[in-house]
Amino acid sequence: DTAVSQTPKYLVTQMGNDKSIKCEQNLGHDTMYWYKQDSKKFLKIMFSYNNKELIINETVPNRFSPKSPDKAHLNLHINSLELGDSAVYFCASSPFPGRLNYGYTFGSGTRLTVV
Amino acid sequence: AQTVTQSQPEMSVQEAETVTLSCTYDTSENNYYLFWYKQPPSRQMILVIRQEAYKQQNATENRFSVNFQKAAKSFSLKISDSQLGDTAMYFCAFIQLGAGSYQLTFGKGTKLSVIP
Repeated sequence: DTAVSQTPKYLVTQMGNDKSIKCEQNLGHDTMYWYKQDSKKFLKIMFSYNNKELIINETVPNRFSPKSPDKAHLNLHINSLELGDSAVYFCASSPFPGRLNYGYTFGSGTRLTVV
Repeated sequence: AQTVTQSQPEMSVQEAETVTLSCTYDTSENNYYLFWYKQPPSRQMILVIRQEAYKQQNATENRFSVNFQKAAKSFSLKISDSQLGDTAMYFCAFIQLGAGSYQLTFGKGTKLSVIP
C-alpha cells in the first residue's frame, strides 16, 4: 500500500548508458515531480507534470526526459549517463492546486551511481 | 525568486534535551505554506510539521513545534525531549501560492545528531 513507489531503489551503471527510473502513486494526486538530491544533500526540482502535462521544466540537460503515460505515473529517462549524474532522485506527488498545505508525498528515492 | 535559508549546517543535542533549528525564507507573496521535512539515514523524506502563512497560531505535532514569525520571515523548528530516532537531516521548505507553479522549494538542510 505504498503511496509513492519508485523503482529501482539502487542503480549502478556505466558512463554512456541509457537508464530509466519509474514512479507510481496511488494517492489520486494530480501532480507529480522529480527532484535531484546531490552529494551535499541539496534537493532541487527537475520536472513537474500536472495531469500528464509538463508544467515545470527546470534547467536540466536534455539528456533527461520525463514521460507521463497517465497521471499516476511519471518516469524519468536519462540518456548518455555522465559521472555528474550520480545522485539520489526522488519522485513526489501532490494534489494540485488545492490542499498543498499538506505538502508533497515523496517516494523512497533512487540512488544512481555512474561509474 | 523564492529562497529558503538554513544557517546551521550541523547541530547536535543530548538525548532528552531541546533543540531549535533555524530557517528564514524570502517571498514577495502573502500566501504560502511552510514545512519541515525529516530525512533519516533511510533516505525517506518525512513531513514533520506544516504551517499555513495565514494562521497566526504556531503549529505543534507532539514533540515538534514551530516558531513562525511572518514579519521576520522566520520559521524555526523546536524539538523537545530529543530522541535518538530524531537523528536526521532536517529540511525547511515552502510553497508559494498565487501566480506560479506551486513549487516546493527546499533549504540546504541541517544535519541533526542526537547524542546518547
